[in-house]
Amino acid sequence: DGGITQSPKYLFRKEGQNVTLSCEQNLNHDAMYWYRQDPGQGLRLIYYSQIVNDFQKGDIAEGYSVSREKKESFPLTVTSAQKNPTAFYLCASSIQGNGYTFGSGTRLTVV
Amino acid sequence: SQQGEEDPQALSIQEGENATMNCSYKTSINNLQWYRQNSGRGLVHLILIRSNEREKHSGRLRVTLDTSKKSSSLLITASRAADTASYFCATDNYGQNFVFGPGTRLSVLP
Repeated sequence: DGGITQSPKYLFRKEGQNVTLSCEQNLNHDAMYWYRQDPGQGLRLIYYSQIVNDFQKGDIAEGYSVSREKKESFPLTVTSAQKNPTAFYLCASSIQGNGYTFGSGTRLTVV
Repeated sequence: SQQGEEDPQALSIQEGENATMNCSYKTSINNLQWYRQNSGRGLVHLILIRSNEREKHSGRLRVTLDTSKKSSSLLITASRAADTASYFCATDNYGQNFVFGPGTRLSVLP
């Protein structure tokens, strides 16, 4: 079945540590996105990519980095520069003009 | 750069009743979408309505769009406990990504 897979489901980060969240899709979608969701809040865009080897900053890109070396993959690294990383992270993909398909999310907690 | 704003923020109804949620936005849009999110899960796409459409149906869901008022509504008829979730509208304002509102938390009580 086609879909979008995020891993891990839960992730714990120590202070000063970089962590990478995985996002893989087999939908042949060109565009991929990373959103952050805080408790009881909406989604805020971190980064997005419309095509391989190209990506743009969203509204809250500081402290995060991404790569898009393959169409299927769009990993997100939460760096030590992100001072408040505890949140629910959602990856999505789409074909232009259609809705998003979301992954099931990764819950990141700083310990 | 929040575009859509859902109203109300929270809604509690009895099973079998209808639930109506509204979304207002500020600038011209190409299309508007509604998503559902169960607690701790990803969002699920429900309906996309284009700017030249006024109403769309999907099962128990009915979405309207009024571009003159820059607003949309989502109606869930004959609600069930399984409809309990947060509902988000997202606007495609001819950009490269959609902008999500803060959502409406719907509770359907048995």
